[in-house]
Amino acid sequence: DIQMTQSPSSLSASVGDRVTITCRASQSISSYLNWYQQKPGKAPKLLIYAASTLQSGVPSRFSGSGSGTDFTLTISSLQPEDFATYYCQQSYSSPWTFGQGTKVEIK
Amino acid sequence: QLQLQESGPGLVKPSETLSLTCTVSGGSISSSSYYWGWIRQPPGKGLEWIGSIYYSGSTYYNPSLKSRVTISVDTSKNQFSLKLSSVTAADTAVYYCASHYNWNDPLAYWGQGTLVTVSS
Repeated sequence: DIQMTQSPSSLSASVGDRVTITCRASQSISSYLNWYQQKPGKAPKLLIYAASTLQSGVPSRFSGSGSGTDFTLTISSLQPEDFATYYCQQSYSSPWTFGQGTKVEIK
Repeated sequence: QLQLQESGPGLVKPSETLSLTCTVSGGSISSSSYYWGWIRQPPGKGLEWIGSIYYSGSTYYNPSLKSRVTISVDTSKNQFSLKLSSVTAADTAVYYCASHYNWNDPLAYWGQGTLVTVSS
């Protein structure tokens, strides 16, 4: 199985801050990397797919980059509605695997 | 816009079989190229892909659960189902159904999730 490791596991930030979350795969996954946002009690929501493509309807303050084994999710200016847990997921090979999540909390 | 909704018992006894159904609306479950999957999340923990089924009926399971999992499609009801046998407390989780268009595509559509507790 491909292991996905996110860092940090949690972070505290203020509204307006630039936030960066990293995801590392245990082997190359090309650009088959997806990012999801999950709020308490809700299903995950797709934010970015294929490492850098913004899902329709997702604000442009979200961006993704990377290929191979190292990937980044960036929120350019954190908004109140962005406080949530973020997961990366590889869809390169079965079994699909997720990172352990990064919880973004209010500072 | 696809909409998915899970249904099934919220409480299952240890050693029994967990059975859930996902009803699809806004599109046909037999539409070509769509995969229909199950993902679970134990309370306070991360996400685990259980498996997916192609519209044609081909199945793909997580090896960690493969011996206990069956995913099937009922095109007449526009539903797909999950069966997980011999459950233990470790199978207590929120179970989500979801869909993706091609095999390597992301999980773009999700159900709201349903909590299944394994307890006697």
